[in-house]
Amino acid sequence: RKEVEQDPGPFNVPEGATVAFNCTYSNSASQSFFWYRQDCRKEPKLLMSVYSSGNEDGRFTAQLNRASQYISLLIRDSKLSDSATYLCVVNLRRDDKIIFGKGTRLHILP
Amino acid sequence: DGGITQSPKYLFRKEGQNVTLSCEQNLNHDAMYWYRQDPGQGLRLIYYSQIVNDFQKGDIAEGYSVSREKKESFPLTVTSAQKNPTAFYLCASRGEGATYMTQHFGDGTRLSIL
Repeated sequence: RKEVEQDPGPFNVPEGATVAFNCTYSNSASQSFFWYRQDCRKEPKLLMSVYSSGNEDGRFTAQLNRASQYISLLIRDSKLSDSATYLCVVNLRRDDKIIFGKGTRLHILP
Repeated sequence: DGGITQSPKYLFRKEGQNVTLSCEQNLNHDAMYWYRQDPGQGLRLIYYSQIVNDFQKGDIAEGYSVSREKKESFPLTVTSAQKNPTAFYLCASRGEGATYMTQHFGDGTRLSIL
């Protein structure tokens, strides 16, 4: 099983829709979780950290389920500018290794 | 402004040559990372360094070497042993305290083989 797995997509959704995608991780010792956004041919940028209690930032909601070892990202009222690849990131605090998922491509359709 | 600077932005290499990619940061971060990204793929960790004069291999270290002689610099050498070096290379550093574990990325270097 890969350390961090994501559905590669693409997710093609109409503007204004709500879209959600998950990311699963294999190491139960994982301690920190993040969602990054990457635009085509650009570097990844931090979208939000993921906390155990779940957290929200505007239209974006992130949740962590430690028992099932997955994190999720929900985007409400999607905008054309949300089109990007969303990378799930997991940190194993033990050795400071940071692991990226392969990313989920999202296309918002007008 | 603080940040990470990678250079060059585009680099062309002849087969059999070693090339060094530069990564400099003025964020006073201890930890620095090198990733490789291939088209349609995620980021794969090449090497990382948690402190000056120390570094660890990532998942795909073969054919690469690094040094960390100064806190602000973490250059990556792509050696001739790396058989498929064409990729997008990203350098990152990690903050401490309130920003612990959030990575800051450079703009990347695109390496191509002539």
